[in-house]
Order: sequence, then structure tokens, then C-alpha cells
Amino acid sequence: ELKVEQNPLFLSMQEGKNYTIYCNYSTTSDRLYWYRQDPGKSLESLFVLLSNGAVKQEGRLMASLDTKARLSTLHITAAVHDLSATYFCAVLFSSGTYKYIFGTGTRLKVLA
Amino acid sequence: EPEVTQTPSHQVTQMGQEVILRCVPISNHLYFYWYRQILGQKVEFLVSFYNNEISEKSEIFDDQFSVERPDGSNFTLKIRSTKLEDSAMYFCASRARTGQETQYFGPGTRLLVL
Repeated sequence: ELKVEQNPLFLSMQEGKNYTIYCNYSTTSDRLYWYRQDPGKSLESLFVLLSNGAVKQEGRLMASLDTKARLSTLHITAAVHDLSATYFCAVLFSSGTYKYIFGTGTRLKVLA
Repeated sequence: EPEVTQTPSHQVTQMGQEVILRCVPISNHLYFYWYRQILGQKVEFLVSFYNNEISEKSEIFDDQFSVERPDGSNFTLKIRSTKLEDSAMYFCASRARTGQETQYFGPGTRLLVL
């Protein structure tokens, strides 16, 4: 079964703190995506990770991919209130057919 | 900056009615997608479309659903006979070409089936 699991589901953190969101997936994948969604809004693409060991950074967010462990992380450094949103990872599985499977999302709230 | 647009932003329909959701992908993009998100839940892939045909579809995308690119710019999702459980936000997305992996999402259409 193709599964993508994120944890935590909810995260409340103080401004200035660091934290990591985890995304585990069940089988070999070609692509891993991270998206941000503000309440009532669409999805904004943050990162696309294509290979083992890939690391990408944008501002206070850094994403990494370990294909052997089937794990991606989204690390938040020195959180600010503007980062409050729901973060989704999504995986492209391509064993026979291509399917995009999203994780459950992590709702992040950064407290001032 | 080019963006994906979707119409209508909201649609209310009666169960059993047909609805057509419209999307205008970014010009020159070649890959198109539909997703849905039931309120408060995760995003679910429905279908991908390339070269004027469906390239992949999920289990959700049954015979009630169809997609079309009627005129080279619009990309539509039709639900033939809506059910209550079709109520969701529907997002269209487009991607430029092979090797360019970022998908750009439209603002969504909120569909409510009564």
C-alpha cells in the first residue's frame, strides 16, 4: 500500500525556536515535494527533492531527503509568526503507474 | 507573474447534477493535474493529463469524472452526477515540462453538493 505519513500533525512553537517536521513514505519514490497551505488558500510549492541526500533551503526552511530511510524532513530555523500554516509533503510513486500521494499535513502555529 | 486560474471560485449544486470546473493553466505548460481536498483533510490526487490524454488517474477518478482540454487553453473537470461526498475544494495545477518538477496550483473551486 502506498502511504505517506507526516508527524507531528499539529505543532505549536514559540518564535525563535527550531523544529523539524517528518515525512515517511512506504516504498520507493521518484520525487518528494513540500507544500505550504495557508487557511482557505491554495498550495504553494516550497521544495522538490529528486535524489538521495538532496538538501534545499529557502529562508528559514530547509528540506532534506533520505531515500534509503524513505524519510524527508522539513526543518524550521528560528521560527517567525509568518511561518504559521499547514505543511504537506507529497510523494510521487512510480512503480508501474504514477501516483501522487500527500501526507496528512502538519498544522504549524508559531506563537509570538 | 503567470498563474493558474480557476472558475468558478465557489459552486453550489444539487445532488445528481453535472458540474464543470474550469482551469486555465500557465501558458506553455504541458502537464496538468486535478486534486481535491475535503475540508480539513489532506490533498488527494485525481488525475494527470499530458499530450491531450489522461496519463494517470487515482481510484477516486471513476466513471463520474472526466477531463478535457477543449481549446488549448482551458482544462476542465466534469463531474457527471454529483454526490454529497464530492463536496470539496478542487485544485488545478500545471507543470512546465519534463525536468521541471514544480507544480503551480490554482486558487481552487469550492464545490458544495446539497
